[in-house]
Amino acid sequence: DVVMTQTPVSLPVSLGGQASISCRSSQSLVHSNGNTYLHWYLQKPGQSPQLLIYRVSNRFSGVPDRFSGSGSGTDFTLKISRVEPEDLGDYYCLQSTHFPRTFGGGTKLELK
Amino acid sequence: EVQLQESGPGLVKPSQSLSLTCSVTGYSITSNYWGWIRKFPGNKMEWMGYISYSGSTSYNPSLKSRISITRDTSKNQFFLQLNSVTTEDTATYYCAREAPADYWGQGVMVTVSS
Repeated sequence: DVVMTQTPVSLPVSLGGQASISCRSSQSLVHSNGNTYLHWYLQKPGQSPQLLIYRVSNRFSGVPDRFSGSGSGTDFTLKISRVEPEDLGDYYCLQSTHFPRTFGGGTKLELK
Repeated sequence: EVQLQESGPGLVKPSQSLSLTCSVTGYSITSNYWGWIRKFPGNKMEWMGYISYSGSTSYNPSLKSRISITRDTSKNQFFLQLNSVTTEDTATYYCAREAPADYWGQGVMVTVSS
């Protein structure tokens, strides 16, 4: 299975500040069709996960432009600018290029 | 709006089968893919498998032959059955529209304990 390594595990931030989460895969996530199937989720306390970013850099419907995704190959980043209280929670990356789909271990975004 | 809702027992005995239902409203399960994902205590997440619009299935090999995902299109529901459960199957189980999982149910916590 493709191993997804997320760092950091915990990320203290100040409201209004910026956060950056890394996700690295054990092999390239470029599919044979040329697409890269790397996605980002946020799970807020007491809620189910919500899709933020799909295929590296595409914001899902309703996701503010404070969230941005980038990267290629095996190295990906989620950036959150101007952090707001509703951004706090657990962030996960997910790859669906290779079978089976695999998740990163998660990053807890919390207040400093 | 697409909505999903899991239902099923919250407590299952070891060696028995875990059975969950996902009821979908606002979208037909004869379109897209429909999956099950679980989150373990300690926050690890695992993709379990999906059933497609045509009824074909794909399962995580880690679950070997223990898993089955089926559906009832007349009720717009799909189902998870996980056999021979152990305490390691204790988790919160989510159903979701794939791919990628964009709409999720609220999750159901299942404890495997005698």
